[in-house]
Amino acid sequence: NAGVTQTPKFRVLKTGQSMTLLCAQDMNHEYMYWYRQDPGMGLRLIHYSVGEGTTAKGEVPDGYNVSRLKKQNFLLGLESAAPSQTSVYFCASSYGGNTEAFFGQGTRLTVV
Amino acid sequence: ELKVEQNPLFLSMQEGKNYTIYCNYSTTSDRLYWYRQDPGKSLESLFVLLSNGAVKQEGRLMASLDTKARLSTLHITAAVHDLSATYFCAVDDETSYDKVIFGPGTSLSVIP
Repeated sequence: NAGVTQTPKFRVLKTGQSMTLLCAQDMNHEYMYWYRQDPGMGLRLIHYSVGEGTTAKGEVPDGYNVSRLKKQNFLLGLESAAPSQTSVYFCASSYGGNTEAFFGQGTRLTVV
Repeated sequence: ELKVEQNPLFLSMQEGKNYTIYCNYSTTSDRLYWYRQDPGKSLESLFVLLSNGAVKQEGRLMASLDTKARLSTLHITAAVHDLSATYFCAVDDETSYDKVIFGPGTSLSVIP
């Protein structure tokens, strides 16, 4: 039972480099979310998707892009990484707007 | 814009004692979630509250929702060390395409 799987688990980037974080879910969920977690700030919503082919901005979307080409995958891209994007990134998915979300194990990203 | 607040942010309590964590939010919603996060781990769902007056209980934890006051409580009864974790409430912003916004979290430490 995989649930929500994030790839990679850890990554170190140099300032200006780009990368893509992959989130895959096998529960046939419609909704998917990307959050970042920083000490003392809880989880902040970056982007989310309410269905295949749709995306929407969250609280802190600047510097990130997303795509949901397939229902089971939600990709988070950093085009030009900055030290301020050092964080733990969590992906989550849910059946819909009134159901609990299931979270991946997180990706720890360090930008130097 | 939806804001979610929690208090206290830090809570140290003795085993056997009772305490309540509060979650306030700023816009209309009748969808609220509670999650638990252990240090270095992902988040797991505790409760889903979907209507005014909803009450859910699991073991030593009980959650309630008052949508008129825009307030949810998480009550801890006779705390045990295993309850030490960070607790987050999250609110579904129904006015904004089902964004789910998290509070800053309450870090609970239960001391023997």
